[in-house]
Amino acid sequence: ELVLTQSPGTLSLSPGERATLSCWASQSVSSNYFAWYQQRPGQAPRLLIYGASSRATGIPDRFSGSGSGTDFTLTISRLEPEDFAVYYCQQYDNSRWTFGQGTKVEIK
Amino acid sequence: EVLLVQSGGGLVQPGGSLRLSCADSGFILSSNYMAWVRQAPGKGLEWVSVIYSGGTTFYADSVRGRITISRDTSTNTVYLQLSSLRVEDTALYYCATVGLGQYFGRFDSWGQGTLVTVSS
Repeated sequence: ELVLTQSPGTLSLSPGERATLSCWASQSVSSNYFAWYQQRPGQAPRLLIYGASSRATGIPDRFSGSGSGTDFTLTISRLEPEDFAVYYCQQYDNSRWTFGQGTKVEIK
Repeated sequence: EVLLVQSGGGLVQPGGSLRLSCADSGFILSSNYMAWVRQAPGKGLEWVSVIYSGGTTFYADSVRGRITISRDTSTNTVYLQLSSLRVEDTALYYCATVGLGQYFGRFDSWGQGTLVTVSS
């Protein structure tokens, strides 16, 4: 069973700072089938990044994704107030979908 | 524009059943793959089930045999039939569209979520 592990669990930063979120897969995954989501309190998740590095429609360019194989990264270049939320990585493989446990980005 | 409107949640006793609905008003459901994802209170996201446009279905191991996904193309609605419910099935259930093509498997659009509470 493929497992996605996100790190850190919580990231405490100030607006304007850079955020780096990591997601490790227990086995190699296809970059094409790897995505990141943002979930604000009380809201449904929102697709941020697909194909490991492509921004979804309407997503600001301060969000970027990178990585391949087992190591993936989501970077927020300069945190805006609305970016403080929980972020999930997700992958698809062999008719199964898996999410990481989430990283909470909170205001320091 | 995709707009997914969910309904059907509520309080049910352990062992009971419930049917969730997800109606699309923005595009032809029959041409898309649809999924259900759930989130237990204060927890992360868990994929539950998917139905392809041709009717093929897949389920997470945690719900297989107790949950059935289906679709009605005449009403652009996807359903999730929950049976033999357990306390641990308590969650906010989201429906979502599944992105196709080269970047298959992403969840492009999400419903607003519907809460299922299993408790005696």
